[in-house]
Order: sequence, then structure tokens, then C-alpha cells
Amino acid sequence: AQSVSQHNHHVILSEAASLELGCNYSYGGTVNLFWYVQYPGQHLQLLLKYFSGDPLVKGIKGFEAEFIKSKFSFNLRKPSVQWSDTAEYFCAVNAPMDTGRRALTFGSGTRLQVQP
Amino acid sequence: GAGVSQTPSNKVTEKGKYVELRCDPISGHTALYWYRQSLGQGPEFLIYFQGTGAADDSGLPNDRFFAVRPEGSVSTLKIQRTERGDSAVYLCASSSIPGQGPNEQFFGPGTRLTVL
Repeated sequence: AQSVSQHNHHVILSEAASLELGCNYSYGGTVNLFWYVQYPGQHLQLLLKYFSGDPLVKGIKGFEAEFIKSKFSFNLRKPSVQWSDTAEYFCAVNAPMDTGRRALTFGSGTRLQVQP
Repeated sequence: GAGVSQTPSNKVTEKGKYVELRCDPISGHTALYWYRQSLGQGPEFLIYFQGTGAADDSGLPNDRFFAVRPEGSVSTLKIQRTERGDSAVYLCASSSIPGQGPNEQFFGPGTRLTVL
């Protein structure tokens, strides 16, 4: 079974600071990796996804993530955060090619608070 | 519709009662997922439909939980003899299925269930 760890539960940054949110997963096979964001009062939205190819993935709103297979990691980064990035961020994984299961396994989330 | 819709947005019920939660997926999406999100946690998978059939119900916590999707579009999650521990936000997601490749799951706004 897969599991996802997000070690940073609550991060507080000032505007223009750089962001890196950690995500580690436990499955050793072929995985698809996702970062979802939930802005206050809104539903989950996809930021970016990785399934193959270039391990550096670029998403919306200036976010990017790097898949490092040897470290089982998929950390989310943004060089300069804005107040509007205040939200909860969830890392998720599935492995349908290996397991046939399409269900996503989510981490517990990281709450990002950006101070103006 | 343009996105996944869920009704009701909020449901308050008493312990022991029966509840139904409805999900209307994005038009044309053949896959539909139910997740449950408790406070401070990431979403947890409950059940996945491919068309009308439940392809994976391994996340249903017990036999009080049941879901249907009789025409391959709208789905209803049914909870019998509700317990206070069932209180959570119930999320629905849908996706298209391009073979066994990765699929983006589009989430609805959720139904907040409170069992008193």
C-alpha cells in the first residue's frame, strides 16, 4: 500500500520568500504524483502532476515540483510566494500501472500562510 | 455542468439516522470517486466507479456505507445508522479514463456532514 508524508504541517512565510514543501511517498514501483491546492472556501484544484519524462514539472501560478525517485520525493517549490498563495497544499500519489488502482492516496496537507 | 457538483453542501443529522449525499460529475467523465476528509487530514478514498459499476470499494469503512451510480452519471453515497465518527467532508471527484494512463481527478466542493 502507498502512503504519503508531508512533514510540514504549517508554514508561515512573508511575501516574496521562497517556498519548498516536502512530500515523500512509500511505494517503490511506477507512480503518478500530484499536488493539489485548496484555497480558503474553495474546492481542491490540481496544481501540477508527474507521470513520466522530465522529473521537473511546471504547474500553474509559478509552482514547480521535482520528482527524485531515489529519495521517493516530490517536493513543491515556488521562488517567490504571494499573499494569494495562502492555502492548504496536498501531495497525492497513485500507481495504476502497477496496481490497477486509480484511487489517490493523499498526505495530511500543509497549511501555507503568506503574510503581506 | 462545468464542474463537479455535490448536494447538499451541508447536512446535519442525528446519530442513527440515514443520509444520502449526491454527486453530479463532469459531463462525459466515466470515472467517479468518493473520498472523505476529516479535520486536519487529507482526503481518504472510499469508492471508485467506472461507469455504473464499483471498480474499487476497498475504502468503504464498513457495511453502513454504500454507493450507487445506476446510470453511469450521478452517484449517491448512502450512510445508514450514522455515527458521530462519520462527521467529515465527503468529496466527490470525476475523471476521464485514457486507458491506463494518469488521470486528473476533478473535485467537487464537498458535502459537510455533521452527526450530532
